[in-house]
Amino acid sequence: GAVVSQHPSWVICKSGTSVKIECRSLDFQATTMFWYRQFPKQSLMLMATSNEGSKATYEQGVEKDKFLINHASLTLSTLTVTSAHPEDSSFYICSARVYTSGIRNEQFFGPGTRLTVL
Amino acid sequence: GDSVTQMEGPVTLSEEAFLTINCTYTATGYPSLFWYVQYPGEGLQLLLKATKADDKGSNKGFEATYRKETTSFHLEKGSVQVSDSAVYFCALSVSEKLVFGKGTKLTVNP
Repeated sequence: GAVVSQHPSWVICKSGTSVKIECRSLDFQATTMFWYRQFPKQSLMLMATSNEGSKATYEQGVEKDKFLINHASLTLSTLTVTSAHPEDSSFYICSARVYTSGIRNEQFFGPGTRLTVL
Repeated sequence: GDSVTQMEGPVTLSEEAFLTINCTYTATGYPSLFWYVQYPGEGLQLLLKATKADDKGSNKGFEATYRKETTSFHLEKGSVQVSDSAVYFCALSVSEKLVFGKGTKLTVNP
């Protein structure tokens, strides 16, 4: 149980185009989903926190107009990189969290999406 | 701000060798501490955790003890296997957010 998928696993796009990445919780409902970015040999950096049905909360320094997050249902969150540029090339990872009575909350991670912008 | 520092890799060991991956942290408040593991092609998985000082987390032969006096949470395993080859991330959480170290790649050779 507690499987999170991401689609696509990798994507190559031209500069100036937009790319959408999906994050799905397959066997549970996620009240909160997180989006991370990972540069080579660097740690995961939290970009934003999204709660189902409300606007995402972005970390300092993350452009909300560039990285659009939608959490329309309890099993799906999407990250859209708008007007992508080569510096947006990175590994994007999502996680999903569920609160269960009696169990401390835990984040379950997707396998990540490799974005390359040419 | 909160941060995690873990030893840089890569680490290469022979099967059955002893493993230590050092992790220290800086945090305001009282963080929970975690080790996550990422196998090739897969997402991060929680390996073990500790929520308060002197707690020991353990799983799959790995263990780590929450040392408040040294602000450390070193990962250890007495005898590694080839299947332990992966990237290991140390992390802390004070509120709902996780703060990660850079990760340490472990390769275990037969």
